[in-house]
Formats: sequence, structure tokens, C-alpha cells
Amino acid sequence: GIQVEQSPPDLILQEGANSTLRCNFSDSVNNLQWFHQNPWGQLINLFYIPSGTKQNGRLSATTVATERYSLLYISSSQTTDSGVYFCAVGTGGGSNYKLTFGKGTLLTVNP
Amino acid sequence: DADVTQTPRNRITKTGKRIMLECSQTKGHDRMYWYRQDPGLGLRLIYYSFDVKDINKGEISDGYSVSRQAQAKFSLSLESAIPNQTALYFCATSDTLAGSYTFGSGTRLTVV
Repeated sequence: GIQVEQSPPDLILQEGANSTLRCNFSDSVNNLQWFHQNPWGQLINLFYIPSGTKQNGRLSATTVATERYSLLYISSSQTTDSGVYFCAVGTGGGSNYKLTFGKGTLLTVNP
Repeated sequence: DADVTQTPRNRITKTGKRIMLECSQTKGHDRMYWYRQDPGLGLRLIYYSFDVKDINKGEISDGYSVSRQAQAKFSLSLESAIPNQTALYFCATSDTLAGSYTFGSGTRLTVV
């Protein structure tokens, strides 16, 4: 099956710093999504981005499907940005459709 | 109210017991999913359903069963719980094959 690799596995920042999280995938995908899991375990969908660039406030994401990677940018980080960021890719069609998650990047933003 | 509601939020159960985790959604989505999350392993798909009459196994379905009682309800059962089923369980919905997913708040299950 498809491999989804996220880097770095862990990242520690001071409040106000910028960061870039990367997601590489091993095959063609139908779509790609970024999720944030907060320290209480809740999963929030950040972006649905099969290709191109999207921005939402301090967060933006870019997917280059032809080169099989996506980047999540966090600018002016805040302590509330802490948590695990997951990349997930969708493959297949019909009943074979599957969303495969990477193992995540654990982000800690210190005050 | 949350778009996707899971009950219970936390549960401790004994080995060998049958337990049901419930999920309901108000988004009107046809597609529903059950995932489990283990530390360091991301999320893995247990079962999914594309409509009330369609149930499919995911990558780790052994030891689990599901029931799609209605478009809005999708429950996960552990027939005979074992300790390695201790995990955080998530229900999710999506509106189309490649649509964005919405997750519930999760059920933290501990099997002792």
C-alpha cells in the first residue's frame, strides 16, 4: 500500500516562530488532508488540498501532487498550535477508497 | 451540538466483555468510518460504510464488528474485548468519495 511519511517527527518552537511540516507520499493520490489533534485528543480538519495552495489565517498548505509531497506552514506560532499534525492521503475508488494517515508531527510551542 | 458525536467518551472494561461504541452525525453524510489510534502509529481504519446497506472491512477489522442502523448512526462492537484493543477510537464522516473528513471527539477505551 501507499506509504505516507511525515517530517520532522517532533518539533519544539518558541511562541512567534514559523515552521514547515512536510508530508511525502509514495504513489498517486486522489486527495490529501491535513489534521490537527489538540492535546485533548480532538481531531480537526485543517485543509483539504489535493493540489495547489490554500491559506487559513496563520496556516497555509501546499500540495505538489506530481512530486508527491505536501507542506504545512505555520506562521507566528502560538501555544494553542501545540499538538499532533497528521497528513492523510486518499487512494483508490469505490469500495476500495482508503484514507491513509502518516504517523504525525508532534509540535510543542513554548511561551 | 457537535456534528459527529461519540459515546461514551471514556470506558474501562474487562477482558472478555462485549462493548459497543456509538457514533451519530448531523452532517447528512452517507459515508462513515471507524478508526483506532495507538501511540506512534497514527490512525488505522477498522470499518467503513458508504451507505446503510454497505459495510466494508478496513485494515484491522479482526475482533470488531459494526452496525449501520441509519444514515446518521454507525456503531462499533468489540465482541470479546482484549487488552491490546486499548486505544483511542474515532468515528468520522465524509460527504463524497474524496471529500473532507469530520471526526468525532473520540472514545478512550481501556481493556483491563
